[in-house]
Amino acid sequence: GDSVTQMEGPVTLSEEAFLTINCTYTATGYPSLFWYVQYPGEGLQLLLKATKADDKGSNKGFEATYRKETTSFHLEKGSVQVSDSAVYFCALISSYNFNKFYFGSGTKLNVKP
Amino acid sequence: EAQVTQNPRYLITVTGKKLTVTCSQNMNHEYMSWYRQDPGLGLRQIYYSMNVEVTDKGDVPEGYKVSRKEKRNFPLILESPSPNQTSLYFCASSPGLTRGYTFGSGTRLTVV
Repeated sequence: GDSVTQMEGPVTLSEEAFLTINCTYTATGYPSLFWYVQYPGEGLQLLLKATKADDKGSNKGFEATYRKETTSFHLEKGSVQVSDSAVYFCALISSYNFNKFYFGSGTKLNVKP
Repeated sequence: EAQVTQNPRYLITVTGKKLTVTCSQNMNHEYMSWYRQDPGLGLRQIYYSMNVEVTDKGDVPEGYKVSRKEKRNFPLILESPSPNQTSLYFCASSPGLTRGYTFGSGTRLTVV
């Protein structure tokens, strides 16, 4: 079945460091891929998405490229800030089953000043 | 402001006392869903609804009920809560899942 695998956290970085959070997926066809962010005490917010191979989603300095050849959608940011500290979820929706989202387990990011 | 509103934000209750968590969205979304979030288990879908009067089970529906009598509202009902339903609950809505979800702020439920 469809699934999403994220790197385990927590990830701890210093401010202005480069961030990569790995996400790989298993799905038939051409899923749509998402990154969500959950700040402490809040609900999940859509960060970015990509709906077809080679698409790049971007928002707030974060980027992720839909790589079908490696079934990956890694999240990157060139220079993290303390305010980026949150839990990040990778997710997909199948191109065959539009009724179900598959979430990864989440990766906690801690950014230190 | 476009949003999903859940109430209450925090709730402590006793085993067996029926409760309802309300969820309302103002975006005219057809699709709504309930999730629970538990440490180490991630997000698990409880129920979802594709439109008014159309609901279906998610991955962990046992012990929960839902109804969708109006497009904007999707309440979650616990008829006889038990301690293993202590969790953080999220309601979410979408105009179509390829466009992603909008989540509510969550309801932290403790059943003692």
